[in-house]
Amino acid sequence: KNEVEQSPQNLTAQEGEFITINCSYSVGISALHWLQQHPGGGIVSLFMLSSGKKKHGRLIATINIQEKHSSLHITASHPRDSAVYICAVPNYGGSQGNLIFGKGTKLSVKP
Amino acid sequence: DGGITQSPKYLFRKEGQNVTLSCEQNLNHDAMYWYRQDPGQGLRLIYYSQIVNDFQKGDIAEGYSVSREKKESFPLTVTSAQKNPTAFYLCASRNSKTFNEKLFFGSGTQLSVL
Repeated sequence: KNEVEQSPQNLTAQEGEFITINCSYSVGISALHWLQQHPGGGIVSLFMLSSGKKKHGRLIATINIQEKHSSLHITASHPRDSAVYICAVPNYGGSQGNLIFGKGTKLSVKP
Repeated sequence: DGGITQSPKYLFRKEGQNVTLSCEQNLNHDAMYWYRQDPGQGLRLIYYSQIVNDFQKGDIAEGYSVSREKKESFPLTVTSAQKNPTAFYLCASRNSKTFNEKLFFGSGTQLSVL
């Protein structure tokens, strides 16, 4: 079974700072998901990537398949980026199509 | 707009009572999932369904039941057998059962015990 570790657990930043959130996993995968959970609880899918890098606005996600590691970067952070960021990987040995979710990184951006 | 609607947002359960959480999607997705989220924990799978009239147990199915009579609807019942039901419940769907499809989530239901 894949193990997912995220770091840091909590992160406080000043507005404008560059943010990096890390995700490591133990078993090779076909795709990794980055999700954002708003303070109200709803979850939005940010990225799904299997290699290289993807960019959407101020968000950049990278993955290194050989090292089993992915990072989520936020450039020019803003208070509205405050949320919990979750990475998820396939659970190949478990329920079909299911993902294993990290515990999340709680980001707070201060103005 | 297409999306997933969960209701209610807050729900309270008395001891011995069954309660049902609603999940409706208009994305025409085949696969639907129910997850439980506890503080400081990753999401855990309760039940999932790949097709109408079929569903499978996830990792923590005990004390829960589901039905999938329509493609759009996947309600979750928390039965009195679930002794620790207080948690945040999230419904999700995707276009197919493969790992490489995006998951779409509802806004969640917070269930508490009175």
